[in-house]
Amino acid sequence: DAGVIQSPRHEVTEMGQEVTLRCKPISGHDYLFWYRQTMMRGLELLIYFNNNVPIDDSGMPEDRFSAKMPNASFSTLKIQPSEPRDSAVYFCASTFGVNYGYTFGSGTRLTVV
Amino acid sequence: GQQVMQIPQYQHVQEGEDFTTYCNSSTTLSNIQWYKQRPGGHPVFLIQLVKSGEVKKQKRLTFQFGEAKKNSSLHITATQTTDVGTYFCAGGDNQGGKLIFGQGTELSVKP
Repeated sequence: DAGVIQSPRHEVTEMGQEVTLRCKPISGHDYLFWYRQTMMRGLELLIYFNNNVPIDDSGMPEDRFSAKMPNASFSTLKIQPSEPRDSAVYFCASTFGVNYGYTFGSGTRLTVV
Repeated sequence: GQQVMQIPQYQHVQEGEDFTTYCNSSTTLSNIQWYKQRPGGHPVFLIQLVKSGEVKKQKRLTFQFGEAKKNSSLHITATQTTDVGTYFCAGGDNQGGKLIFGQGTELSVKP
């Protein structure tokens, strides 16, 4: 298995633009997580899905952020409109279940100028 | 809400010295996991502890889970330059599948 695949690896965009981050989890993993990492706030859980259904989105900063998982092999995290304070590394992770380790993707480094 | 605190934030050691990072939760955890993130990389799963008082070893790494399942530690014996990175603990809540990550301890090793 190729692991959790995220795209793009780097994204530089102007304030106000829409940004879409993509994630392909490991086949067979029922859980998918979106995390954001910054120096100030560390690793923050934004949202997670179980069997493609959003379970907890309490970490989504505000309405500008949205996430979808239309099928078991694909998820997106969208920011519209983007702001400079959204600059961070966004990680997607997947796992079989609550008692298994997470496999993280390589992350998307987002810079909003 | 549930919080997982990790100390120290940074640790600088000479190669060959030991290293320990500590993790404390405000609530009882269902399990605790440890991850390592190399500079510029992504977190990589190391181990999971589930039972009260559990101790697990991986070569020079020793992981402990407290009796009350509220704290944990990672100890590295005789550090090597390959140990450089940030070590995260992550506690599982008792309500679902999510993990709450600590802030991490960044380890640097001077050869």
